[in-house]
Amino acid sequence: EPEVTQTPSHQVTQMGQEVILRCVPISNHLYFYWYRQILGQKVEFLVSFYNNEISEKSEIFDDQFSVERPDGSNFTLKIRSTKLEDSAMYFCASSGGAVNTQYFGPGTRLTVL
Amino acid sequence: EDQVTQSPEALRLQEGESSSLNCSYTVSGLRGLFWYRQDPGKGPEFLFTLYSAGEEKEKERLKATLTKKESFLHITAPKPEDSATYLCAVQANSGGSNYKLTFGKGTLLTVNP
Repeated sequence: EPEVTQTPSHQVTQMGQEVILRCVPISNHLYFYWYRQILGQKVEFLVSFYNNEISEKSEIFDDQFSVERPDGSNFTLKIRSTKLEDSAMYFCASSGGAVNTQYFGPGTRLTVL
Repeated sequence: EDQVTQSPEALRLQEGESSSLNCSYTVSGLRGLFWYRQDPGKGPEFLFTLYSAGEEKEKERLKATLTKKESFLHITAPKPEDSATYLCAVQANSGGSNYKLTFGKGTLLTVNP
């Protein structure tokens, strides 16, 4: 069964460093998303991506964040200068259409020291 | 602003003891309501999508229903392996927001043998 994959599973970084989180969405999906979940809190939307551009972003997704689809299979989230409050689980998701079910990856746990 | 409220926050059942989880929502126009299961440290795992009031979906011991204001996840004769956090999310057609999911905080279900 096709699934969304994410690497790494755990990333530890120092405050102020850049990190890139990687995702491989389900192969025939067209819509891609990043969400995050701070420990003990709800899953929060960050950004959606379709047709090689951002279609929607939340207030959390400021200038420190960027997304890219560098090739036909990968979808990345970059945080330019990490802050302590960026520590969270980051989930990638994909869907076949805008209203279709979003399937989530296993997540990357980001720890900022 | 779209809002999703889940209750109870935590539920402890004995194996075989049926119960229901509630998800109430406030959106200007509902495109879809989604139920996910989340195990500790993992990504949300898709269970059901409901699109219109009166719709019902079933899978094994789980049954999801939808009204204009809320959704219920009924668990019949649960087993210990059903222990997880159950997340409810809505996709709404409101204020230009077309794709994102808005999640509730979830219900932590524990089923004791």
